[in-house]
Amino acid sequence: ILNVEQSPQSLHVQEGDSTNFTCSFPSSNFYALHWYRWETAKSPEALFVMTLNGDEKKKGRISATLNTKEGYSYLYIKGSQPEDSATYLCAHLNSNYQLIWGAGTKLIIKP
Amino acid sequence: NAGVTQTPKFRVLKTGQSMTLLCAQDMNHEYMYWYRQDPGMGLRLIHYSVGEGTTAKGEVPDGYNVSRLKKQNFLLGLESAAPSQTSVYFCASSYPVAGDGYTFGSGTRLTVV
Repeated sequence: ILNVEQSPQSLHVQEGDSTNFTCSFPSSNFYALHWYRWETAKSPEALFVMTLNGDEKKKGRISATLNTKEGYSYLYIKGSQPEDSATYLCAHLNSNYQLIWGAGTKLIIKP
Repeated sequence: NAGVTQTPKFRVLKTGQSMTLLCAQDMNHEYMYWYRQDPGMGLRLIHYSVGEGTTAKGEVPDGYNVSRLKKQNFLLGLESAAPSQTSVYFCASSYPVAGDGYTFGSGTRLTVV
C-alpha cells in the first residue's frame, strides 16, 4: 500500500516558468525523505536526502523543503528548462530503513 | 567508475522459463536492492540485502529469489516466469544510512509471454 503520495500526477509548464509539486508521507517515526529525478529511458538519480524538519536543500535551480511535523515536502524548480522534463520521485525511509516510493510527478516543459 | 551495472538490459521469456538478472556495483556499498516498476505504480521492493551473505524479503517477493554471495553482486532469479512478472527491474545500492541516496542501475526490461 502506497503511503507516500505525490501531486500532481503530471504537470505541463511553459519554459521559463517556475513550478512546484508536493510529496506527502507519514509524519510519525520519520527518518528521511528522498527526492529523485528520473528521465525517460534512464535510471533514477538522487537529488536530495532530507532528514531535519525545516530543512531546505538546493541544487542549481531546484530546491526542496521539508516539514516532518505535518508530513510533506515541496520540490521547486525555478525558471524551468526543457532538460528539466522528467519524472520526480520522492521516497520516505520507514522504521525498517526501507524506502517507500511515491508514484512520481511527471513534469513536461513546453518550449 | 561504472556505478551499478545491470545485465541483461532486455529479455523475453516464455511462461515457465527461468532466468537470472545480475547486478554489480563497484562503490563498496553495503546495501543492495531489487525493485520492479510497473505503469502507474511506485517502485516496489522485491528483495534487499544489507551485506554479503544476507538477503531479506521486500514488499513483493513472491516468485523471486536472490543471492548475495559477493558484496559487489546481487542476483535476482525467476524460477518459473509468469506473465505477471513482465516489468522493468531496477537494481540499486547504497551505504547503510543512504545519506547520499540510492544509486540505480539502468534497468532490465523483462517480457514474459
